[in-house]
Amino acid sequence: NAGVMQNPRHLVRRRGQEARLRCSPMKGHSHVYWYRQLPEEGLKFMVYLQKENIIDESGMPKERFSAEFPKEGPSILRIQQVVRGDSAAYFCASSPGPYNSPLHFGNGTRLTVT
Amino acid sequence: AQKITQTQPGMFVQEKEAVTLDCTYDTSDQSYGLFWYKQPSSGEMIFLIYQGSYDEQNATEGRYSLNFQKARKSANLVISASQLGDSAMYFCAMRAFYGGSQGNLIFGKGTKLSVKP
Repeated sequence: NAGVMQNPRHLVRRRGQEARLRCSPMKGHSHVYWYRQLPEEGLKFMVYLQKENIIDESGMPKERFSAEFPKEGPSILRIQQVVRGDSAAYFCASSPGPYNSPLHFGNGTRLTVT
Repeated sequence: AQKITQTQPGMFVQEKEAVTLDCTYDTSDQSYGLFWYKQPSSGEMIFLIYQGSYDEQNATEGRYSLNFQKARKSANLVISASQLGDSAMYFCAMRAFYGGSQGNLIFGKGTKLSVKP
């Protein structure tokens, strides 16, 4: 059973470009979460999605960031007009349900904005 | 609001000895889960152990056990017989079962464990 797959592993963008991060959840998991990790810090929640629905986006910046989890295909975290402060590791996680299900994380995408 | 506090930025332990990583939490929710994750230098997040707020027994998974003291709101991770491969960052996290933030896993700042040979 493949784990959570994130790609790309590393992404370099210039200021002003768009970054698209992809996440395929584990088989059978319909809940997807995106987290951001700055150096030397823990993970900060961004958004929680189920298929075609955003359940909680309270951690998502109001501008330039968006996320989707379509009926078919991976979940996408999109960052428009990136700035240097967006440089971080972005982790996707999935679970079969909410509540007591542990989140299983992908290996992350390291975004560097030059 | 929920909060996780890990007061030990760094810990050292001798190989084959046991070590306890501290975690305290703050929540007004009655139903919640507590999780520990390991992040080695390669960067991935590895799920270690889970404890539900209503579980009466402390959780154990191999060499990992969770010392859950609900009244004190603490959920310390105990690693027995430390191995060199245990050197990593360890994050404590919690998640409410109900309410608007039920999807939100709140993380502490982590403890960096170094195992000495």
